[in-house]
Amino acid sequence: QLVLTQSPSASASLGASVKLTCTLTSGHSSYAIAWHQQHPEKGPRYLLKLNNDGSHTKGDGIPDRFSGSSSGAERYLTISSLQSEDEADYYCQTWGTGIQAVFGGGTKLTVL
Amino acid sequence: ELPLVESGGGLVQPGRSLRLSCAASGFTFDDYALHWVRQAPGKGLDWVSGITWNSGDIAYADSVKGRFTISRDNAKNSLYLQMDSLRIDDTALYYCVKANAHYGGAFDVWGQGTMVTVSS
Repeated sequence: QLVLTQSPSASASLGASVKLTCTLTSGHSSYAIAWHQQHPEKGPRYLLKLNNDGSHTKGDGIPDRFSGSSSGAERYLTISSLQSEDEADYYCQTWGTGIQAVFGGGTKLTVL
Repeated sequence: ELPLVESGGGLVQPGRSLRLSCAASGFTFDDYALHWVRQAPGKGLDWVSGITWNSGDIAYADSVKGRFTISRDNAKNSLYLQMDSLRIDDTALYYCVKANAHYGGAFDVWGQGTMVTVSS
């Protein structure tokens, strides 16, 4: 069964970098994922699509501070030069060979 | 103009039905798969249902299978979700979402959502 696992919370200081992790279940380590950002009381926003080789395609208007990388079954979202507006929930999402989709449980990022 | 605009949410009693609609604009509607995603108050994102560009493949989360029906009308650039036998735990903000491929794909455009509240 295709499952995405995320840590519930993360924190980092203003101006620093943070790396969020999304882990695919065993047997699905070749799957691409997408990262989404959601501010409180707002709808989600697509950030980028991340392939298993680490290549990624960002959504329109997404700052260069956001980047993706991969290692085995792990998919990462790195945010550099953290700003206060980066404080949000971050979700990873993937899809199978059919039309089904899956979300991770989300990571709440706090900017200190 | 927003690319995806949901409507049809509201307050409904358990066991009743509701039909959500999503009007799309600004992209070639029949090139892409579409999905419904929901978010219960204070909870994470929960995939509900998806439909391929030509309605050839449809899938549902186990929690809604047999009760919800997704459909699309490519001539009207519209996506629908018929929700029957609604339960209290269906209460959520329902988002219409575009994928970036005919099948599956990253969710690259989100609507603003429409709230569904199931309560007696």
